[in-house]
Amino acid sequence: QVQLQESGPGLVKPAETRSLTCSVSGGSISGYYWNWIRQPPGKGLEWIGHIYYTGTAIYNPSLKSRLTISLDMSKSQLSLKLTSMTAADTAVYYCARSGHIYGANAFDVWGQGTMVTVSS
Amino acid sequence: QSVLTQSPSASGTPGQRVTISCSGSSSNIGGNTVEWYQQLPGTAPKLLIYSNNQRPSGVPDRFSGSKSGTSASLAISGLQSEDEGDYYCAVWDDGLHGVVFGGGTKLTVL
Repeated sequence: QVQLQESGPGLVKPAETRSLTCSVSGGSISGYYWNWIRQPPGKGLEWIGHIYYTGTAIYNPSLKSRLTISLDMSKSQLSLKLTSMTAADTAVYYCARSGHIYGANAFDVWGQGTMVTVSS
Repeated sequence: QSVLTQSPSASGTPGQRVTISCSGSSSNIGGNTVEWYQQLPGTAPKLLIYSNNQRPSGVPDRFSGSKSGTSASLAISGLQSEDEGDYYCAVWDDGLHGVVFGGGTKLTVL
């Protein structure tokens, strides 16, 4: 079945720009939405944005000015680039699939998450 | 402050039925379908309910969802110790043009 595996920088300095990657295996990227969701330590979930397999992306308005989500169909990879990072961006970052039979916004497959810490 | 309001905590004893509520507005729950996610300690969230009241394959029928107006509820019957964890509601918000999550409810099995 489909599996998602995130990878990221781990530790980031304030004001830096960093990218995270999510590798998709065991299934096709086509036909689905691919989402990024994050969870600060001890806190709740926040939807970051998604990209449809056609390349159309929608971003959380609170992050839109600093965010780029892209899809590399040839590598079966989803990417997130976040600029001007601050301590408030410290979180576990998850990638998740939606758009299956369960609906466009039902996240039915999740990666295990990658922790990103923003600190000097 | 989350757009969707959930009680921070809920509890019950094994075998009991517990209900977790999620309150929103006309721009989210009132006009769109609600999903529920279960997050067990140290793990990624798992889809529990979609389209207000549907269970993905593999989710026990002890879990059920409902929606009325601008509120939604998740009910867990026959509570088990392995149900202990955090539960989140989520829905598309037409005003924010994105998915919003509730703040989460921590379920404790006494």
